[in-house]
Amino acid sequence: QVQLVQSGAEVEKPGASVKVSCKASGYTFAGYYLHWVRQAPGQGLEWMGWFNPDSGGTEFAQKFQGRVTMTGDTSISTGYMELRRLRSDDTAVYYCARQSWSFDIVTGYGPFDIWGQGTLVTVSS
Amino acid sequence: EIVLTQSPATLSLSPGERATLSCRASQSIGNYLAWYQQKPGQAPRLLMYDASNRATGIPARFSGSGSGTDFTLTISSLEPEDFAVYYCQQRRKWPPVTFGQGTRLEIK
Repeated sequence: QVQLVQSGAEVEKPGASVKVSCKASGYTFAGYYLHWVRQAPGQGLEWMGWFNPDSGGTEFAQKFQGRVTMTGDTSISTGYMELRRLRSDDTAVYYCARQSWSFDIVTGYGPFDIWGQGTLVTVSS
Repeated sequence: EIVLTQSPATLSLSPGERATLSCRASQSIGNYLAWYQQKPGQAPRLLMYDASNRATGIPARFSGSGSGTDFTLTISSLEPEDFAVYYCQQRRKWPPVTFGQGTRLEIK
């Protein structure tokens, strides 16, 4: 069964850091880009960035550059997203998602076909 | 950045009715548009992986159309489990990956 299982809920104080994990199973972790998407309470989906488990390469949304790190460990099929200098408006559910295929000139970028269950991160003093 | 605008924000319909949801892109994206469904407390689920092709396991009552900048997701006859929030996503030009702001489909 192809799935992504994320770590549990976190409560952090402003200024702290949080690291969320995303464990893949049922497929070759290194073969698919892993994205991170967050959703603030009652809001829409906000893309944060991607991680290429094969090369270790990353790409981040501009608003998160300098504050986010995305890494992975192919030996345990797990990706990680760390967000630093947390603020109250970082309170959100954070999702990891698998990109179904890499870019193809004919079919474009692959959509997100597998999602983790989400990790609630609460930032509060 | 490609901006996606979904309409309406909220759609109130009854089971058995036909639902039509729209997504407009700020520039042409060919047919590189995906649709997702999200129910309360759940992760999004892939519905359509391009403008008109259903993802695995998605019922035939879901269909999509459009090309260029204007796209439509149609649910031919609403089932109780279809009431959810729907998001479109462009797959033409990354980064950034962009989503529409969502359409909430609620029971009338």
